[in-house]
Amino acid sequence: GDSVTQMEGPVTLSEEAFLTINCTYTATGYPSLFWYVQYPGEGLQLLLKATKADDKGSNKGFEATYRKETTSFHLEKGSVQVSDSAVYFCALSDPNTGNQFYFGTGTSLTVIP
Amino acid sequence: DAGITQSPRHKVTETGTPVTLRCHQTENHRYMYWYRQDPGHGLRLIHYSYGVKDTDKGEVSDGYSVSRSKTEDFLLTLESATSSQTSVYFCATTGASGASSTDTQYFGPGTRLTVL
Repeated sequence: GDSVTQMEGPVTLSEEAFLTINCTYTATGYPSLFWYVQYPGEGLQLLLKATKADDKGSNKGFEATYRKETTSFHLEKGSVQVSDSAVYFCALSDPNTGNQFYFGTGTSLTVIP
Repeated sequence: DAGITQSPRHKVTETGTPVTLRCHQTENHRYMYWYRQDPGHGLRLIHYSYGVKDTDKGEVSDGYSVSRSKTEDFLLTLESATSSQTSVYFCATTGASGASSTDTQYFGPGTRLTVL
């Protein structure tokens, strides 16, 4: 079945450091891929998405490229800020499974000044 | 962001009691979802709805039921709450165009439920 695997956390970085959070997926069809962010006490918010192979999603300095050959969608940011501290979820939506969403377990990021 | 509210935001109840959580949306979205969030599991789908009175089970539906009598409201009921149902519950909706794999899911703020 479909699934998403993302790197275990927690991740702690100093301000202005480079961020990578790895995400790989398994899907029966040609899924769309998403990164969501969750700030403390809040629901999930869409950060970025990519709907087909080689697409790059980007938002607020974050980027992720849909790599079909490696079934990956790694999240990157060149210079993190304290305000980026949150939990990040990788997710997919697969048309072969009724467009249900499948989420990774989440990666907690803490950025220290 | 989609206008999604959840009520109550926090609830403490005792084992064996019934509990109903409400999700309300103002975006006229056709699809609505209930998830639970637990450490180490991410989000897991409980039930979803693809229209008024049309619902289906998700990955972890045992012990839960849902109802949708109006487009804007999606209710999640725990008929007899157990401690294993202590969790944070999120409602989500998908845009008015209907379910496409490219559609974004929009989330409510969550309900923290504790079953003693």
